[in-house]
Amino acid sequence: GNSVTQMEGPVTLSEEAFLTINCTYTATGYPSLFWYVQYPGEGLQLLLKATKADDKGSNKGFEATYRKETTSFHLEKGSVQVSDSAVYFCALSDNTGFQKLVFGTGTRLLVSP
Amino acid sequence: DAGITQSPRHKVTETGTPVTLRCHQTENHRYMYWYRQDPGHGLRLIHYSYGVKDTDKGEVSDGYSVSRSKTEDFLLTLESATSSQTSVYFCAISGGTGAPNTEAFFGQGTRLTVV
Repeated sequence: GNSVTQMEGPVTLSEEAFLTINCTYTATGYPSLFWYVQYPGEGLQLLLKATKADDKGSNKGFEATYRKETTSFHLEKGSVQVSDSAVYFCALSDNTGFQKLVFGTGTRLLVSP
Repeated sequence: DAGITQSPRHKVTETGTPVTLRCHQTENHRYMYWYRQDPGHGLRLIHYSYGVKDTDKGEVSDGYSVSRSKTEDFLLTLESATSSQTSVYFCAISGGTGAPNTEAFFGQGTRLTVV
């Protein structure tokens, strides 16, 4: 079945450092890929998405590129802020039309001033 | 913010008792979902609905049932709660435009503790 693997955390960075959170997936067909973010005590919010190979999703300085050849969708940001501290989830959706999401285990990011 | 309300937000219940969680949306989205979030597992799909009275099982459906009698309401029932069902439960909606792979919006979550 479909699955998503992402790096374990926590990832601890200083403000303005470069961020990479790795995500790889296993899926049949051509899934859509997503990054969701969860701030403390809240639900998940969509951060960015890509629906086909070589697409780049971007939002709020974060970006990720859909790499079919390596089955990856790594999240990057050039300069993190304290306010980026949250849990980040990589997810995929198959194209059955029901838009069911399969999530990775989540990576906690802690950014210190 | 998408209009999704989960109730209750917190609940403590005893083993063996029935529990119903409610998800209410004001967005008229077609699809509704129940996920549970557990450390080391991320979020896992319990059940989903693709229309009124149209539901199907997800990855971890054992011990749960759902109902959707109106577009706006999706109920999750634990017929006889067990400690393994202690978790944070999230409702999500999607499919506002009917297009595939549109954004899923999540509720604030319900923290359920079974003692």
